[in-house]
Amino acid sequence: AQSVTQLDSHVSVSEGTPVLLRCNYSSSYSPSLFWYVQHPNKGLQLLLKYTSAATLVKGINGFEAEFKKSETSFHLTKPSAHMSDAAEYFCVLNRAGNNRKLIWGLGTSLAVNP
Amino acid sequence: GAGVSQSPSNKVTEKGKDVELRCDPISGHTALYWYRQSLGQGLEFLIYFQGNSAPDKSGLPSDRFSAERTGGSVSTLTIQRTQQEDSAVYLCASSLAGGRGDTQYFGPGTRLTVL
Repeated sequence: AQSVTQLDSHVSVSEGTPVLLRCNYSSSYSPSLFWYVQHPNKGLQLLLKYTSAATLVKGINGFEAEFKKSETSFHLTKPSAHMSDAAEYFCVLNRAGNNRKLIWGLGTSLAVNP
Repeated sequence: GAGVSQSPSNKVTEKGKDVELRCDPISGHTALYWYRQSLGQGLEFLIYFQGNSAPDKSGLPSDRFSAERTGGSVSTLTIQRTQQEDSAVYLCASSLAGGRGDTQYFGPGTRLTVL
């Protein structure tokens, strides 16, 4: 079965410190993986995606994620958090050969403290 | 360019009434998706349109839900005889061709409240 697990429902960091949002996946096929961000009262925005090219993917706003097949992980990181990073983050799996149903994690709420 | 737009942004209705939610995808995008996001939940897939192919309706929760896409562009999601459990944010997304690595671009959503 295909699944996505976001290991933390809430993460709190101080401004200027690193961010780590964890995501594990399960897939029988070679997956495409995405991270989306949702700011309060705003639409979902793509941060970055992995589609079987480079395993280290760089996205917008200084975020990056590394696809690790051996660990079935796709953790999202940022070296230095900014107040504007406070939002809900979703890890998403797209199964190979099936683009119709993205499998969404339940989300991680990131709080950034001054 | 213009992104995905949805209307209305908010809809409050009484239990038992029908509602229509509209989605205007990005021009040229052949794939269109509807999702539902309930409080504290991830996104729930509802229905998918790709070009002229028959839509994938496998995510629709009941026969009260239906959707159509006219002329391969604008889509309408209809919920008949609304129930309180239908209250959620309904999101529409479009992508260029529906391919595996295609980015889905989301609209701002319609917040539906059923009293």
